[in-house]
Amino acid sequence: GAGVSQSPSNKVTEKGKDVELRCDPISGHTALYWYRQSLGQGLEFLIYFQGNSAPDKSGLPSDRFSAERTGGSVSTLTIQRTQQEDSAVYLCASSLAPSSGNTIYFGEGSWLTVV
Amino acid sequence: GQQLNQSPQSMFIQEGEDVSMNCTSSSIFNTWLWYKQDPGEGPVLLIALYKAGELTSNGRLTAQFGITRKDSFLNISASIPSDVGIYFCAGISGGSNYKLTFGKGTLLTVNP
Repeated sequence: GAGVSQSPSNKVTEKGKDVELRCDPISGHTALYWYRQSLGQGLEFLIYFQGNSAPDKSGLPSDRFSAERTGGSVSTLTIQRTQQEDSAVYLCASSLAPSSGNTIYFGEGSWLTVV
Repeated sequence: GQQLNQSPQSMFIQEGEDVSMNCTSSSIFNTWLWYKQDPGEGPVLLIALYKAGELTSNGRLTAQFGITRKDSFLNISASIPSDVGIYFCAGISGGSNYKLTFGKGTLLTVNP
């Protein structure tokens, strides 16, 4: 596609359930990022994938959060046993290479509400 | 961890006015970036700054990379209604060439 595609755009889930959020990066982009945006806050780094290298998971807030990237393309962010504080917009971004920022393109985000 | 202090949190201005917002940090950053986010959209890059002291313009937008590498400002001149949105500063430090640290954003409202 033309841009970074994320699904679902909105998800309401019950506390304790697992959720999966999907990101389709721009074709050919080797770097993929997940960020979280809570209400009134800036974006918080979660995880970074680059090619076949081991991902940088240093931003994942707890072991309930995990992400994978299959075939160097599509990525899935999984949140297990969701809590209300997980409610946020989850933004995916991609770039051609480890970027200085000028070529990082963001998707529209997946808005997660945990009730 | 690293933090960026962005101010002001929000601004209400009249169309045609100029706007200024800034970010400061106690840490040094090698790259400063300014993004705009419209409702329901992801952030879009406005300006990227790579050298201390650099002053860069993009249309009505001007941004500067502070000499100390610990601050940056963004100016918008002659504001128009479509400037409405949330503006974020972001920095990349020497420890990583990909991890962005974001400010909390400035919500700009422009009254026509």
